[in-house]
Amino acid sequence: DVKVTQSSRYLVKRTGEKVFLECVQDMDHENMFWYRQDPGLGLRLIYFSYDVKMKEKGDIPEGYSVSREKKERFSLILESASTNQTSMYLCASSFPGFQNTEAFFGQGTRLTVV
Amino acid sequence: AQRVTQPEKLLSVFKGAPVELKCNYSYSGSPELFWYVQYSRQRLQLLLRHISRESIKGFTADLNKGETSFHLKKPFAQEEDSAMYYCALSYTGRRALTFGSGTRLQVQP
Repeated sequence: DVKVTQSSRYLVKRTGEKVFLECVQDMDHENMFWYRQDPGLGLRLIYFSYDVKMKEKGDIPEGYSVSREKKERFSLILESASTNQTSMYLCASSFPGFQNTEAFFGQGTRLTVV
Repeated sequence: AQRVTQPEKLLSVFKGAPVELKCNYSYSGSPELFWYVQYSRQRLQLLLRHISRESIKGFTADLNKGETSFHLKKPFAQEEDSAMYYCALSYTGRRALTFGSGTRLQVQP
């Protein structure tokens, strides 16, 4: 059973803080993703990684960075948190190849920036 | 750029009624389409994918390339179908999924 685990379910941070969201998967997946989920907007891709130390910007990368030092771990970094980054953040992982690309999701981290 | 549109934010039906969740996409090539579902307090999970042509929990979806649609259908809704449904798209060379804005299905008793 694929497990994608996000380190926190709920986080409250202050404006200007540096925030780390951690995600670990146990299925040896090459691809890992960070999405944010907002009502009425659905899921929007922030960044993804297709290999260790490799990353690509998604559709809304501004204000975020990522780190992938090990295959199983993918971190999302908010360099200086702002209130408009209050959201639900979802991590996902998958094998490469689009035809059978089932993405497995974590339980989500609800981040509130005050 | 590719885009997925789900025109309904909320769809409310009674138990036993037919359900159709709409999904339209814009992509000039040959896409791969998926439906993902999120039940209350559970993580987002794959419901079905176009390429498998399968029926999962009574749901089916047909890819209509002429109308660029991938609507999700079920002939008789059950209360346990109440959830948030997302249509998603991918294609050759695109490693990530592009999601629609989601439709909340509410099945009333």
